[in-house]
Parts: sequence; structure tokens; C-alpha cells
Amino acid sequence: SQTIHQWPATLVQPVGSPLSLECTVEGTSNPNLYWYRQAAGRGLQLLFYSVGIGQISSEVPQNLSASRPQDRQFILSSKKLLLSDSGFYLCAWSAGALGQYFGPGTRLTVT
Amino acid sequence: AQSVAQPEDQVNVAEGNPLTVKCTYSVSGNPYLFWYVQYPNRGLQFLLKYITGDNLVKGSYGFEAEFNKSQTSFHLKKPSALVSDSALYFCAVRDLTGGGNKLTFGTGTQLKVEL
Repeated sequence: SQTIHQWPATLVQPVGSPLSLECTVEGTSNPNLYWYRQAAGRGLQLLFYSVGIGQISSEVPQNLSASRPQDRQFILSSKKLLLSDSGFYLCAWSAGALGQYFGPGTRLTVT
Repeated sequence: AQSVAQPEDQVNVAEGNPLTVKCTYSVSGNPYLFWYVQYPNRGLQFLLKYITGDNLVKGSYGFEAEFNKSQTSFHLKKPSALVSDSALYFCAVRDLTGGGNKLTFGTGTQLKVEL
């Protein structure tokens, strides 16, 4: 069966510091991968998605970037964090049109 | 553009009573519709999907959803609510713009089941 991992689970970082969040998927090949942010409240905002290695689509201009160095690895990065980058970051995968499956999330607090 | 609307921010129901969480959609073409549940500080869990076929879709944890094309609705239902069903529920629709099998999510409905 397929599983998706995210780490770290929680992170507290000062403003201006770099960021790297990692997501890996097991048990499937060539998945579509997604990064979402869920700000305080509830709304889900799609940040990036990838349909293959090295292929990244950005949905919203921002202070973040994404990379996909391997088939089942998706990384979210920032060179300098802003206070507004705080939130709950979710990675998800899909293998077609039958829905997305989410990781456990990373709670990021920028201080 | 594809969109879904969840008109209720919160739904309160007594344990043992039936529950309904509402969702309406707007799509061009045939809709692919989904329901997810989120517990505090957790990722979203897939509950069920409608792609084609029977209008009543059965999913995880006793939930079901009814697809109604004439009313463009996809309401989530459960015959008898449990306190443990208290969570945040999201409706979503497949977004065909730009490829990538993206989903467009509703704003979420907080379900509170009380004793």
C-alpha cells in the first residue's frame, strides 16, 4: 500500500532563516505531488504541484519554491522566511483523477 | 472554472441523529467530486468520491454522499452521528485547468457532534 511521509512534524524558525520541508511517497511510481498551505482557520491553498521529476508548477507567487529531485520526493524551500509563511503545510500525492492522498502535515511557526 | 461551495461554517448535531454536511458545485463538463475529513493538527483523510455511476456513494466510517445533478449538489450524510465524527470536512472538485489532476477545495465545514 501507499504511504506518504512529511518531516519535520513541527518547526519554529526565526524570520529571515531558510526553510526546507520534505515529503516522500512510498508504494507508487510517478505520482503527481502537491504542496498546500493551510493558514489559521481552515482554507487550503495549493502552492505547487509536480507531474514528474524536475517539473514544478507554481500556483501562487510567493516567498517559497519547490523541487522534485527524485520521483517520490518533493521539497518545499525558502531562502528567507517571512512571518506570513507561518501555517500548516500539507503534501499530497495522486495517481490519476481518483483523488489525492495527504501526508500528516508540518506545523511551521515563524517568529 | 471549477468550484465548490460549503454554505455552512459549522454544523451541530446530537449523537445518534443523522447528519448532513452540504456542498454545491460548479463545473464545466462531468464533475469528479470528493469529500475529505481533517482532525486537529492532522492531514486530510479521504472519505469518498463520485466519478460516475450510482448517485449514492458509500465511503469510509459509515459516511455516504448523494450526487444530485439537477441541484448541482454533493451532500455528505451519515445516518447516526458519533462524537468521534467531530472534525473539519472538506468538499473538493477536480480542477482541469493546467493539468496535474488538481483539486479545488471548499472552505470547510466544522462538524460538532454533542452528547
